[in-house]
Amino acid sequence: EVQLVQSGAELKKPGESLRISCKGSGYTFTSDWIGWVRQMPGKGLEWMGRIDPNDSETKYSPSFQGHVTISVDKSISTAYLQWSSLRAADTAIYYCGRLSLVRAVVDDWGQGTLVSVTS
Amino acid sequence: SYDLTQPLSVSVALGQTARITCGGTDIGSKNVHWYQQRPGQAPVLIIYRDKQRASGIPERFSGSNSDNSPTLTISGALAEDEADYYCQVWVSGTVIFGGGTRLTVL
Repeated sequence: EVQLVQSGAELKKPGESLRISCKGSGYTFTSDWIGWVRQMPGKGLEWMGRIDPNDSETKYSPSFQGHVTISVDKSISTAYLQWSSLRAADTAIYYCGRLSLVRAVVDDWGQGTLVSVTS
Repeated sequence: SYDLTQPLSVSVALGQTARITCGGTDIGSKNVHWYQQRPGQAPVLIIYRDKQRASGIPERFSGSNSDNSPTLTISGALAEDEADYYCQVWVSGTVIFGGGTRLTVL
């Protein structure tokens, strides 16, 4: 069974840094890309970007370029989403997903990580 | 950038048929996929490549993409189908989501 297990909820202050994680299991981690999706409170899904676990190649959506960093450690089948300086507007649930290269869909999703940024 | 347009909300009586549309430029030439997100849960893929049901998805869910109008159809809607539904396409090497449609089962 494919599983993506994300790290737990975070409560942070503006200006702080943060890294959340997404660990894959039940499949060959390097066979598909990992993507990250933001869902702000009461809002829809926003694609942030993706990473190829094979070579760590990334592609970001323009709205998120420069504000977040996506990385991976394929030795432990884990992808990361990182901020160097959080803002209140980063308060959201963040989902990771396994992006099927064959069908161009998110086949499996993590359970989500709630990030709250408040002073 | 490429935009996908969905109705904000759709209502359906219990046991009746609901249809959710997804609009975009030349969308008839693209593969359209659909996700269901129940309250408090992660999204789930339900339809891929316009009309293929994902594994474990009930037959009451179907998709089409004819006449440049992709549509998700839920035949015989159940209370458990009350959720947000998102369409998605792949454009220029990236994922694009529609804004989502809230389905209410009356």
